[in-house]
Amino acid sequence: NAGVTQTPKFQVLKTGQSMTLQCAQDMNHNSMYWYRQDPGMGLRLIYYSASEGTTDKGEVPNGYNVSRLNKREFSLRLESAAPSQTSVYFCASMKMTGAVYNSPLHFGNGTRLTVT
Amino acid sequence: AQSVTQLDSQVPVFEEAPVELRCNYSSSVSVYLFWYVQYPNQGLQLLLKYLSGSTLVESINGFEAEFNKSQTSFHLRKPSVHISDTAEYFCAVSDGTSGTYKYIFGTGTRLKVLA
Repeated sequence: NAGVTQTPKFQVLKTGQSMTLQCAQDMNHNSMYWYRQDPGMGLRLIYYSASEGTTDKGEVPNGYNVSRLNKREFSLRLESAAPSQTSVYFCASMKMTGAVYNSPLHFGNGTRLTVT
Repeated sequence: AQSVTQLDSQVPVFEEAPVELRCNYSSSVSVYLFWYVQYPNQGLQLLLKYLSGSTLVESINGFEAEFNKSQTSFHLRKPSVHISDTAEYFCAVSDGTSGTYKYIFGTGTRLKVLA
């Protein structure tokens, strides 16, 4: 059981380049999330998808776009990378029970992105 | 807005000594509380959670946390730590209001267990 799989594991970009971070889960979860982790700042929510076909902004959405391709896959795109986007990016999924978020999040192992 | 505070960014402790990692959250009508652990170069894993019922919750590897509503705290404790407990620990809260979509994470506490 793979859980949440993120690709790539590492990436180096030059300022202005674009890239897409891929995320897939095999747990039949309905909700998926993208977080970024920076030293001393914990995890900050970039975008989330409560269910297939819906996406919404989190705390720090500027400079990013997302696509919920199907129930399994949720991608994060950087259209024009900036050094401020150097971070570790985590995808997570959750099985939502009813309308209340009391289930745990399941995380991938992260993508380490450096923008020079 | 809901918030989570982990005052200690780093906690060094000797092996077999007890440890407490502190977590405070801003008050809300009802909350769900979680502790996650992150080992080097890995994603976060659920350690334990409080949803309702008994205020003391335990994990399978000896950690426990107590929900204290009056002090809005959810501190994590272990009576005797092991080298393998070295990791970063995150407290998180999910607002219990129906329809609320997200978790709020604290800034993390790095636990370093010394031999």
